[in-house]
Amino acid sequence: GQQVMQIPQYQHVQEGEDFTTYCNSSTTLSNIQWYKQRPGGHPVFLIQLVKSGEVKKQKRLTFQFGEAKKNSSLHITATQTTDVGTYFCAGPYSGGGADGLTFGKGTHLIIQP
Amino acid sequence: DAGITQSPRHKVTETGTPVTLRCHQTENHRYMYWYRQDPGHGLRLIHYSYGVKDTDKGEVSDGYSVSRSKTEDFLLTLESATSSQTSVYFCAISPRFYGYTFGSGTRLTVV
Repeated sequence: GQQVMQIPQYQHVQEGEDFTTYCNSSTTLSNIQWYKQRPGGHPVFLIQLVKSGEVKKQKRLTFQFGEAKKNSSLHITATQTTDVGTYFCAGPYSGGGADGLTFGKGTHLIIQP
Repeated sequence: DAGITQSPRHKVTETGTPVTLRCHQTENHRYMYWYRQDPGHGLRLIHYSYGVKDTDKGEVSDGYSVSRSKTEDFLLTLESATSSQTSVYFCAISPRFYGYTFGSGTRLTVV
């Protein structure tokens, strides 16, 4: 079945450094979504990408969707302590139904002040 | 997030007992989902609903059943709880083809 893989699993950065997490799918995706989960919290929706080659920005966060619609990335410029958490990508679940999501296992961002 | 609540927030239960988790929404969304989150596995889809009395299985549905008798409520039942079902359970709602809003989660421990 469809798999959505994320790397790295953990990323330690110094505050102010940049951070990137990568997401790869075994199949072409109609769209990809990104979520952030703070420690002890619940996932929070960040963005959805739909078009091939799409790039979207939210302040210091830049999201890209690959040309083949099988990979995506999230880049954070100049990390801050508020960026700590786990970042998940998710693509449409292929097991049945139109709207379930398959999540990657996430990248844990750890920031050292 | 406003508009979706899960209950209980924490529960400890014994092996072999039935357990029901509740998800309640005030957004009138058609689509509702149950996920479990475990270290090393991320979020995995258990069941989902696309309308009242319309439900379907997800990736890890064995040992779980769901019911949706009203738009606002989606119940997840562990028919006979096992230690492998110790997890954090998240409910989510969604307008069609857009991002999910997750509840705050239920931390379930089966002893």
